[in-house]
Amino acid sequence: AQSVTQPDIHITVSEGASLELRCNYSYGATPYLFWYVQSPGQGLQLLLKYFSGDTLVQGIKGFEAEFKRSQSSFNLRKPSVHWSDAAEYFCAVVQNRGGTSYGKLTFGQGTILTVHP
Amino acid sequence: GAGVSQSPRYKVAKRGQDVALRCDPISGHVSLFWYQQALGQGPEFLTYFQNEAQLDKSGLPSDRFFAERPEGSVSTLKIQRTQQEDSAVYLCASSLAEGGAYNEQFFGPGTRLTVL
Repeated sequence: AQSVTQPDIHITVSEGASLELRCNYSYGATPYLFWYVQSPGQGLQLLLKYFSGDTLVQGIKGFEAEFKRSQSSFNLRKPSVHWSDAAEYFCAVVQNRGGTSYGKLTFGQGTILTVHP
Repeated sequence: GAGVSQSPRYKVAKRGQDVALRCDPISGHVSLFWYQQALGQGPEFLTYFQNEAQLDKSGLPSDRFFAERPEGSVSTLKIQRTQQEDSAVYLCASSLAEGGAYNEQFFGPGTRLTVL
């Protein structure tokens, strides 16, 4: 069964500092990869996704992620963090086997980001 | 337009009670998913509907969990004889087209269920 690991449960950065959130997946083939953000009381919002092609993908709010097949990783980055980025971030995968997967997402356990002024 | 809405936002139930959680997807969305998010964990898939058909219920943890979407729009997740381990946030998501990774899932704010 596929799985997603986010090694860091909690990360604290200063405002303006760079950010990297780690994500590793376990799956036989290249899955479809996603990053979501969840703010308190809000639903999950899609930041970016990777299906194929260019391994560096750009998302909303200035985030980007890089797919590295050799490391089974899809790390999320942001060059300069803003206080409003404080939230919980989830990496997720969908099995790349067409309609039979129905697009159901398998999530990591999340990384809580705290931003210090 | 309105996003995915869920009601109630908070529900407290005594152990053994039945509860019903409602999801109103985005109008016209074909696909509807339910996920369960325990405290400190990522969401876990429960079940999937394509219109009114429940095509995948492999994630439902027990036969106390039942979901329906009779007219292909609003969905209800019912939990019978609630147990403390059912305490979680229940998330609903909808997407425009038939199931598949290409179709972005839009999530509701969730219903936080606490079983005492």
